[in-house]
Formats: sequence, structure tokens, C-alpha cells
Amino acid sequence: DVKVTQSSRYLVKRTGEKVFLECVQDMDHENMFWYRQDPGLGLRLIYFSYDVKMKEKGDIPEGYSVSREKKERFSLILESASTNQTSMYLCASTELGTGAEDTQYFGPGTRLTVL
Amino acid sequence: GENVEQHPSTLSVQEGDSAVIKCTYSDSASNYFPWYKQELGKGPQLIIDIRSNVGEKKDQRIAVTLNKTAKHFSLHITETQPEDSAVYFCARSGSARQLTFGSGTQLTVLP
Repeated sequence: DVKVTQSSRYLVKRTGEKVFLECVQDMDHENMFWYRQDPGLGLRLIYFSYDVKMKEKGDIPEGYSVSREKKERFSLILESASTNQTSMYLCASTELGTGAEDTQYFGPGTRLTVL
Repeated sequence: GENVEQHPSTLSVQEGDSAVIKCTYSDSASNYFPWYKQELGKGPQLIIDIRSNVGEKKDQRIAVTLNKTAKHFSLHITETQPEDSAVYFCARSGSARQLTFGSGTQLTVLP
């Protein structure tokens, strides 16, 4: 079974702090994704990566950056957390291909609260 | 990517009844339409998908229908059970390797 793990289930940070959310997948998947989930808005793509050291902006990249130094690990960085970044963050991976037509395997999510 | 409209946002059905969730889209280039189920405290999981060369696909109690002309697709769950209670997301493929998700439907199956 594919396993996607996220470093924290719950996280509370203060405005202005630098926040790191870590995601690891154990199936040698090529593509990795970061989404945020908000009520009534569904899942919105922040960034994705289709190879080590490669990244592409999704629909809502503002205020975020990412890092993919190793194939299995994809990090989401909030350089200076703000209250409007309070949300559920979901990481996903896909095996290969275009990523758009491949099964996405999600982690359990990190609920981030910014005070 | 262009939005996917999903309705309804909440749906309650009696156990044993059917549930239908509908999504509409505007990007005619979309060719792949998956449905994901998110149980409480978990990440979404793919339950069924359909590609544009097919009009309907079934897997036991769940089915998906696609009308490419009208640009809508629907999830049908028959003989609902309590374990079907979850949030369901539709999605469509777009450009640049990404999926665009709908806003989600909270399905509650009442005993």
C-alpha cells in the first residue's frame, strides 16, 4: 500500500512565524502536490513537483514556497505565517505520467492554526 | 484552473436510499473525471473515475455518468450504508498535470 505521511496532524503557530510542513511518500512516486482544504472551497492546489528540485505553481501559491531535495520528501514553507493561512493542508503523490490522470494518494492532512 | 461546480454541498439520505452528486465544468479539454471520498480525519481517497471516451462506469454500488456535451458528470451511490457517510469531491483534469476539485459534498446516511 502507498503511504503518504505528514509530519504533524495539528499545528499552532503565531503570526509572522516561519512554518514548515513536511510530507513523505514511500512508493518512489514522481509527482507530489500540496493542497489546502477550506470549507466550501474544496481542495485548492498550492504547488506541485514532478521531479527532484522541480516545482510548479498551482492556483494559490502566494505566501507559500516549497522544497523537494529528495524524491520522497516534499516540504511546504510558509515564510511568514498569517491568520488567513489557517487551514487544513493535504499532501498527495502520484506514481508517474502526467499526474493529472493518475490516482492521487493523499496524506492524512495537517490542520494549521495561525494565531 | 477553471472551476468545477459541485452540488449539493450537503446531502442526507435514509439508509438504503440512493444518493446523487452532480458536477459541472466549463473546460472542454478535460478528459479525466475522478471522484474522491474523504472520511473523517483522513485524506481523500479515489473511489471511481471515468474518462471522456466512456459515458458510464459502475463499481458495485457506485457509478459515475458523464455527459461531455453538457459538461456534467455525476456520482450515484445505491443502497446507501452508514459507512458511505463522508465528504465526496469531484475533480477534472486540466492543463499542466493538475486536477481541479469541486467544493465537496457532505453525505450523511441516516440509520
